[in-house]
Amino acid sequence: GIQVEQSPPDLILQEGANSTLRCNFSDSVNNLQWFHQNPWGQLINLFYIPSGTKQNGRLSATTVATERYSLLYISSSQTTDSGVYFCAVALRGGGYNKLIFGAGTRLAVHP
Amino acid sequence: GAGVSQTPSNKVTEKGKYVELRCDPISGHTALYWYRQSLGQGPEFLIYFQGTGAADDSGLPNDRFFAVRPEGSVSTLKIQRTERGDSAVYLCASSLSQGDTQYFGPGTRLTVL
Repeated sequence: GIQVEQSPPDLILQEGANSTLRCNFSDSVNNLQWFHQNPWGQLINLFYIPSGTKQNGRLSATTVATERYSLLYISSSQTTDSGVYFCAVALRGGGYNKLIFGAGTRLAVHP
Repeated sequence: GAGVSQTPSNKVTEKGKYVELRCDPISGHTALYWYRQSLGQGPEFLIYFQGTGAADDSGLPNDRFFAVRPEGSVSTLKIQRTERGDSAVYLCASSLSQGDTQYFGPGTRLTVL
């Protein structure tokens, strides 16, 4: 089946720092979403981005579908950015509604 | 409501008991999904509904797990003869249509003693 690999697995930042999270996937995808899981367990949608670039405030994401990777950029990080960031993909063709999640990047932002 | 809601938020049961978990999707969303998240891992797909029918149940681990969506809105995930290994957070998501952005509920934390 499709493999979704996220890096780094863990990240510690000082407040105000910038970071880049990476998601590699092993097959063509129809859907790619980035989520933030907060310390209370809620999965929050960040981006729906099967291709191209999007920005939302301090966050932006880029997916290069032909090279099978996506990047999530966090600028001027805040303590509220702490939590786990998941990349999830759905296959092109059969099973395109089934999101396959990576293992996540655990981010801790310290004041 | 504004988002996906799930009840109960927490459920503690004994091994061998039957449990039902409920999901209320975003109004108007035709697609509904169930996922399961074990500690320290990403969510894993269980089942997908388009309308009232289960279009893909390939993620259900065994026949103790069953889900319904009789009127194309609310869904119930049913687990028979619960085992300790069923302990996890069960997440529900909905999307406007198949292939669209999936929005997740807060989850039900199931603990089987």
